[in-house]
Amino acid sequence: NAGVMQNPRHLVRRRGQEARLRCSPMKGHSHVYWYRQLPEEGLKFMVYLQKENIIDESGMPKERFSAEFPKEGPSILRIQQVVRGDSAAYFCASSRGLGDTGELFFGEGSRLTVL
Amino acid sequence: GENVEQHPSTLSVQEGDSAVIKCTYSDSASNYFPWYKQELGKGPQLIIDIRSNVGEKKDQRIAVTLNKTAKHFSLHITETQPEDSAVYFCAASIINDMRFGAGTRLTVKP
Repeated sequence: NAGVMQNPRHLVRRRGQEARLRCSPMKGHSHVYWYRQLPEEGLKFMVYLQKENIIDESGMPKERFSAEFPKEGPSILRIQQVVRGDSAAYFCASSRGLGDTGELFFGEGSRLTVL
Repeated sequence: GENVEQHPSTLSVQEGDSAVIKCTYSDSASNYFPWYKQELGKGPQLIIDIRSNVGEKKDQRIAVTLNKTAKHFSLHITETQPEDSAVYFCAASIINDMRFGAGTRLTVKP
């Protein structure tokens, strides 16, 4: 009964490089959410996806950021041409998405450091 | 969209005292209100939740109350212990769309 799995747990990139963060939801979960957490701050919603569909990306910057949740494989949050301000912890959560059950299960996060 | 406000941002109590954290939400359609605890370096973990058809829920030392009319809900922790020290987040959700408060850093002093 693996929980939500995120990798890498820690990622260091230089300015201008690309960062790819992966999230495997809990077994049986078809909904994935990505949140960003800056040091000493709260969880900021970025994007909500179902398999092969982006449901709500209102919290994601319009440029450089993209997310996908393919039919097979993990969800990917991709940050192109990273800048220092992208340094944060990125948390993935999943849910069954049935009706309004609502409960989210979080992974341990991926901590991105941009040098 | 939904906007959740949480107070206080930091809270320090003596071991054994009670702690109360309050949240307000903006969208009256929200129907699910979970509370998460986040320990240092870890992901948030659900500790208790309440749905809009219930006014109060208790689980051992923690309880949550919901006032739908006023659109606010609160977390109560009684007989606090040092291991309760963490950051606590409230959230409000409308059918899989969940938004979080800014968090409360609770410190329980032995």
